[in-house]
Amino acid sequence: AQSVAQPEDQVNVAEGNPLTVKCTYSVSGNPYLFWYVQYPNRGLQFLLKYITGDNLVKGSYGFEAEFNKSQTSFHLKKPSALVSDSALYFCAVRDRRDDKIIFGKGTRLHILP
Amino acid sequence: NAGVTQTPKFQVLKTGQSMTLQCAQDMNHEYMSWYRQDPGMGLRLIHYSVGAGITDQGEVPNGYNVSRSTTEDFPLRLLSAAPSQTSVYFCASSRTSWQETQYFGPGTRLLVL
Repeated sequence: AQSVAQPEDQVNVAEGNPLTVKCTYSVSGNPYLFWYVQYPNRGLQFLLKYITGDNLVKGSYGFEAEFNKSQTSFHLKKPSALVSDSALYFCAVRDRRDDKIIFGKGTRLHILP
Repeated sequence: NAGVTQTPKFQVLKTGQSMTLQCAQDMNHEYMSWYRQDPGMGLRLIHYSVGAGITDQGEVPNGYNVSRSTTEDFPLRLLSAAPSQTSVYFCASSRTSWQETQYFGPGTRLLVL
């Protein structure tokens, strides 16, 4: 069965600094990988996804993520953090042979002014 | 388009009561799913459907029933509510079941006393 791990419950970054939110996954076959963001009292919003092709995926709000098959990772990155990036971030994985999508536990990102 | 709508926004139940959480989407999406979000647990898949008349279990299906009689609607039924079902419930939909972005509803906050 597929699984996804977000090893950090919380990440603190100063505004203007680069940020990374980590995600590792485990699937039997080839993965589909997703990042979603949740703002307070809201549903999740899609940021970006990796399906196939270029390992570097660019998404909404200046975020990007790099698919690393050998390390089974899909870390979320942004070159310069904004205070408005403060939110809860979820990594998700789907095995191509399965219909289910599995979410990580989430990482709370705090951008300090 | 209204997107994914959920009702009610908030509900208080007593142990043993039953209720139905409503979810509807107007995007003609085939794939719909229900998640619960608990602190420190992230999102966990309860049930999902890949089309009208087809449903399947997710990670935590016990205590919940679903049906999918139309493409638009995917209600979640709690047969006999328990305090352990206190959570925030999110419904999501996507165009197809494998590589598409999921669109989330605003959530239903459920408190079981």
